[in-house]
Amino acid sequence: GNSVTQMEGPVTLSEEAFLTINCTYTATGYPSLFWYVQYPGEGLQLLLKATKADDKGSNKGFEATYRKETTSFHLEKGSVQVSDSAVYFCALDSGGGADGLTFGKGTHLIIQP
Amino acid sequence: SAVISQKPSRDICQRGTSLTIQCQVDSQVTMMFWYRQQPGQSLTLIATANQGSEATYESGFVIDKFPISRPNLTFSTLTVSNMSPEDSSIYLCSVGRGGGYTFGSGTRLTVV
Repeated sequence: GNSVTQMEGPVTLSEEAFLTINCTYTATGYPSLFWYVQYPGEGLQLLLKATKADDKGSNKGFEATYRKETTSFHLEKGSVQVSDSAVYFCALDSGGGADGLTFGKGTHLIIQP
Repeated sequence: SAVISQKPSRDICQRGTSLTIQCQVDSQVTMMFWYRQQPGQSLTLIATANQGSEATYESGFVIDKFPISRPNLTFSTLTVSNMSPEDSSIYLCSVGRGGGYTFGSGTRLTVV
């Protein structure tokens, strides 16, 4: 079956540091890959996505590249801010919208001023 | 993307009772999905609801505990039945559209 593995936190960084959150997956076929973010006290929001190999998703300074050869979709940001403090979830969809998402366990990111 | 209105946003319930959660979508969608997020955990898919047919449940979830209705293409309900403290979680509905998924704001359920 499908599965998503991501580094577990909490991850604590200083403001303006470089961020990488690792995500690898196991899936049949060619899934779409997603990063979702959950800010404190808020709902789940789509951060970025990629639908095929070598695609790069980007949003709000965050980037992730769909690497089929390493089955990875690592999230990166060059300079984090305190407002980036949140829980980040890597997820995949192998059913083309018909089967829902398989989520990783989430990474709690804490950015200190 | 679709806009989902989910209610209630939170509730505190006595064990042994049931709670029904509603999700209203601003456009017609074929599939609606229900997830559970236990405290400090990731999201787990409970079931997929298709209009006009019975919901499809994931392993570990059963209809008697989590009955789902899907009376039309814009609305669905999830009932958490005979609740125990272990059911304390955030419950979310979701729809797929345009290669992505939109989530409701969630229902934070506490069972005492």
